[in-house]
Amino acid sequence: EIVLTQSPATLSLSPGERATLSCRASQSVSSYLAWYQQKPGQAPRLLIYDASKRATGIPARFSGSGSGTDFTLTISSLEPEDFAVYYCQQRSNWPWTFGQGTKVEIK
Amino acid sequence: QMQLVQSGPEVKKPGTSVKVSCKASGLTFTSTAMQWVRQARGQRLEWIGWIVVGSGNTNYAQKFQERVTITRDMSTSTAYMELSSLRSEDTAVYYCAAGAVGVPNYWGQGTLVTVSS
Repeated sequence: EIVLTQSPATLSLSPGERATLSCRASQSVSSYLAWYQQKPGQAPRLLIYDASKRATGIPARFSGSGSGTDFTLTISSLEPEDFAVYYCQQRSNWPWTFGQGTKVEIK
Repeated sequence: QMQLVQSGPEVKKPGTSVKVSCKASGLTFTSTAMQWVRQARGQRLEWIGWIVVGSGNTNYAQKFQERVTITRDMSTSTAYMELSSLRSEDTAVYYCAAGAVGVPNYWGQGTLVTVSS
């Protein structure tokens, strides 16, 4: 089973700042890496799939990059609604697995 | 618009089964895959499995292989996830999600399943 490790665990930033979140896989997942946003009491929301493709309706301030074992989610300028927990997920090897999450909180 | 509406919370005794439903609207049900993920408090999200609605093909994570069944009813655009031999560790929020296999664009609101004696 592929293990995904996200860093940092918590990111404290102010609105308007740039957020950079990392996800490292225990073995190559090619480009089969997705990012989700989850707010308290809500379902996850797909942001990015296949490492860099934005899902339907996702604003351009969200971007993904990477391949193989190292991936990055960048939020270019944080909006108030972006403070949430972010998860990465691989679909290269079944069972697909998730990272443990990075919480982006207001500084 | 696309919507997935799941059944309500359940409280079950250990050793029993639970069946969670997920009704889809606003999307072409037969052209999607319905996927199931769960989230226990303080734990990582976990994939349970999926069903390709058109073909009925299913795939389950080995961890759940012996206990889970995912089905669909095309006449009502509803997918189901049944988990048997419940234990306390199965207490979690169960989500259905629709989209291409592995790319779930649309999610249900979640169903809390509590397993307690």
